[in-house]
Amino acid sequence: EVQLQESGPGLVKPSQSLSLTCSVTGYSITSNYWGWIRKFPGNKMEWMGYISYSGSTSYNPSLKSRISITRDTSKNQFFLQLNSVTTEDTATYYCARSPYSGDRYFDYWGQGVMVTVSS
Amino acid sequence: DIQMTQSPASLSASLGETVTIECRASEDIYNGLAWYQQKPGKSPQLLIYNANSLHTGVPSRFSGSGSGTQYSLKINSLQSEDVASYFCQQYYNYPPTFGGGTKLELK
Repeated sequence: EVQLQESGPGLVKPSQSLSLTCSVTGYSITSNYWGWIRKFPGNKMEWMGYISYSGSTSYNPSLKSRISITRDTSKNQFFLQLNSVTTEDTATYYCARSPYSGDRYFDYWGQGVMVTVSS
Repeated sequence: DIQMTQSPASLSASLGETVTIECRASEDIYNGLAWYQQKPGKSPQLLIYNANSLHTGVPSRFSGSGSGTQYSLKINSLQSEDVASYFCQQYYNYPPTFGGGTKLELK
């Protein structure tokens, strides 16, 4: 069974970087596409970006140059780094899998990790 | 970005009732639409993809329909375990975007 689990600090100071890990079991991240999605207070959701089976990445233009998604295939993990965070980055962050077809819907999700940006 | 307008924002229904949730896209998304269910404290679960294809293991009382800019999720014979939030997502156009969600409660 495919399982994803996010981990990382729940509190980040403004202007610092947010770093999260998604650990995947039951499926190799060298297949399919692996993304990050966040849900803001008030329930608006935003797709942040993905890393593909080959290691290529695609990001939401709204995040411009602040975002980076990388991976460690030996640990079957992928990572989110979001730089220069502000209070508007306070959200629950989810990692999720997209099918190999390339269609960007998400068939498996992690439980989510709540991140608060505050001094 | 394509805007997804979901309605209603909240819904109260009785057990056994049929429930319909709508999503309207700001432009044609050519059936590139998914529906998800999320229960409090749980991860979202995929229900429907390609507008009308049922994801593996999802009960057949869930169905999706629509085309162009208008899509709907129907739940037949509402069960207590269907109490949750539901949201749509378009993936036809880049970047993928989400509807605002519908909170479904029991009457």
